[in-house]
Amino acid sequence: QVQLVQSGAEVKRPGASVKVSCKASGYTFSHFGISWVRQAPGQGLEWMGWISAYNGNTIYGQRLQGRVTMTTDTSTSTAYMELRSLRSDDTAVYYCAREPPAQDAAKVLDFWGQGTLVTVSS
Amino acid sequence: DVVMAQSPLSLPVTLGQPASISCRSSESLEHIDGNTYVSWFQQRPGQSPRRLIYKVSNRDSGVPDRFSGSGSATDFTLKISRVETEDVGVYYCMQGTHGRVTFGGGTKVEIK
Repeated sequence: QVQLVQSGAEVKRPGASVKVSCKASGYTFSHFGISWVRQAPGQGLEWMGWISAYNGNTIYGQRLQGRVTMTTDTSTSTAYMELRSLRSDDTAVYYCAREPPAQDAAKVLDFWGQGTLVTVSS
Repeated sequence: DVVMAQSPLSLPVTLGQPASISCRSSESLEHIDGNTYVSWFQQRPGQSPRRLIYKVSNRDSGVPDRFSGSGSATDFTLKISRVETEDVGVYYCMQGTHGRVTFGGGTKVEIK
């Protein structure tokens, strides 16, 4: 069965960086992509961006462009999301979700990880 | 980016009664491939979102048939025919048609 298992909770200082991982199993990782979505406490869902595990192409959300980098490692079936220059309003649960591999394909977010809480506090 | 206007914000429902959630997009969600990529997600308290409906009206595996999706172009609806206790949570619509995904603001379904 498809599973996405994310790394554990993080606590970071303002200005620091965080890197969250998402390990996939139950399907051929390089045949799909990954979207990242975050949810601030008590708030709705915000799409952060997408990466193709097939060719590494990315699409980033406009709000985070310049601070976020998404990568994949097909040898370990793992996707990564790094967010830099952290601020207090980056405190959120970060989710990964499976996607099609092509840049012009529609986004479907069919399977989700369990989420990773990132807390930014001085 | 496409705006997804979801209503209502809160939906108190009596057990066994129907519920309906609306989502309106700021532009047509028909993809160049001819499909319309509107999905609905359920998020129970303390859990990750779970997709219920994809491409407007297709139920995901294991989703009870009391959930149904409908709509076209810019207007979409999620219906629960008879609300059960396990349906309590927040529901989100989402468009995946246009490059950058956008979500509705969410509807909190609770039992009266």
